[in-house]
Parts: sequence; C-alpha cells; structure tokens
Amino acid sequence: GIQVEQSPPDLILQEGANSTLRCNFSDSVNNLQWFHQNPWGQLINLFYIPSGTKQNGRLSSTTVATERYSLLYISSSQTTDSGVYFCAADTGGFKTIFGAGTRLFVKA
Amino acid sequence: EAGVAQSPRYKIIEKRQSVAFWCNPISGHATLYWYQQILGQGPKLLIQFQNNGVVDDSQLPKDRFSAERLKGVDSTLKIQPAKLEDSAVYLCASSWGSGGETQYFGPGTRLLVL
Repeated sequence: GIQVEQSPPDLILQEGANSTLRCNFSDSVNNLQWFHQNPWGQLINLFYIPSGTKQNGRLSSTTVATERYSLLYISSSQTTDSGVYFCAADTGGFKTIFGAGTRLFVKA
Repeated sequence: EAGVAQSPRYKIIEKRQSVAFWCNPISGHATLYWYQQILGQGPKLLIQFQNNGVVDDSQLPKDRFSAERLKGVDSTLKIQPAKLEDSAVYLCASSWGSGGETQYFGPGTRLLVL
C-alpha cells in the first residue's frame, strides 16, 4: 500500500519564526489532508489538498501530486501552534494512511 | 453543527476483559471511520463504513475486534478479549460522502489495558 513519510520528526521554533513541514507519499493519491493534533489529543483538519495551493490565515499548503509531496507552511508561529502535524493520504477514497507526524514546539 | 461524539472518554480495564466504544458522527455524514492511535504514532485505520456497509476492514484484528454501524448512523467498536497492546486512543471520524473527503474527528476514547 501507499507509504507516507513526514519530515522533520521534531521541530522547535521561537515564537514568530516560520517553518515548512514536508509530506512525501509513495504513490499517486486521490486525497491528501493535513491535520493538527493539539496537546489534548483533538485532531483538527487544516487542509484538504490533493493538488494545488491553499491558504488559511498564517497557514498555507502546496501539494505537487506529480512529484508526490505536499508542504505545510506556518508563518509567524505562535505558542498555540504547538502539537503534532499529520498528513494523511488515500488512493481511492478508502484506506487512509497517516504519516508518523511532525512534533512542533513553539517557545514563547 | 454538532461535532463527532464519542464515549466513554476514558476506560481502564484488565487484560482479557471486553470493552465497547460508541461513536455518533456528524449528522448526515455517510462515511464513518474508526482509528487506533498508539502513543507516539499516527492514527491507523481499523475500519471504514459507508452508511451501514463496510468499505475497508483490512487492518481490523478480527479475532478480537468487531464493529457495527446499524441503521447507518452511530457505531460501536468492541474488543473482546483485550490485550495489553490494545492500550491506545480510539478515534472516530466521519465525512459527508463516500470516502475521500475531509474527515472530522471526535475527541477519542483513551483505553488503558492493565
């Protein structure tokens, strides 16, 4: 099945800094989603982005489907951005596969 | 709009006991997912329903896990008998269509097997 790899595994930022998180996938995907899991464990969807670029406030994402990767950009990071960021992909509307996540800590 | 509801939020049991989790998806969502998230890992899909039919259960340990979604609305996931390695957070999610849309997650049930 499809493999999903995320990098970096861990990231520490000073408040106000920018960062880029990467998600590589091993096969063509139907769907690619980015999620944020907050320190209380709640998973919040950030982007549904099988291809192209989207922006939502300080967050934006680009998926280049032909090259099998997606990027999540966080600008002007805040302490509330801390948590784990996951990307998840599926190849036909089922068998969603999550990556191992990027653990982000933003220092005040 | 109410989100995905799950209960209980926490459960502690001893190995070989049985346990059941309940999920009520967002109203009108046709697809319901159960995931297992072990500490430090990403969620792993256990089973996916579309309405009351199973779309995928290839990663469900069927010797001990079972799930049902009667009437195509809420769902229960059962473990019988539980093992130590079943300690995890069990997450329920739903999406509006036939799968492949944005998934909305519930708060999860934290299970500890002693």
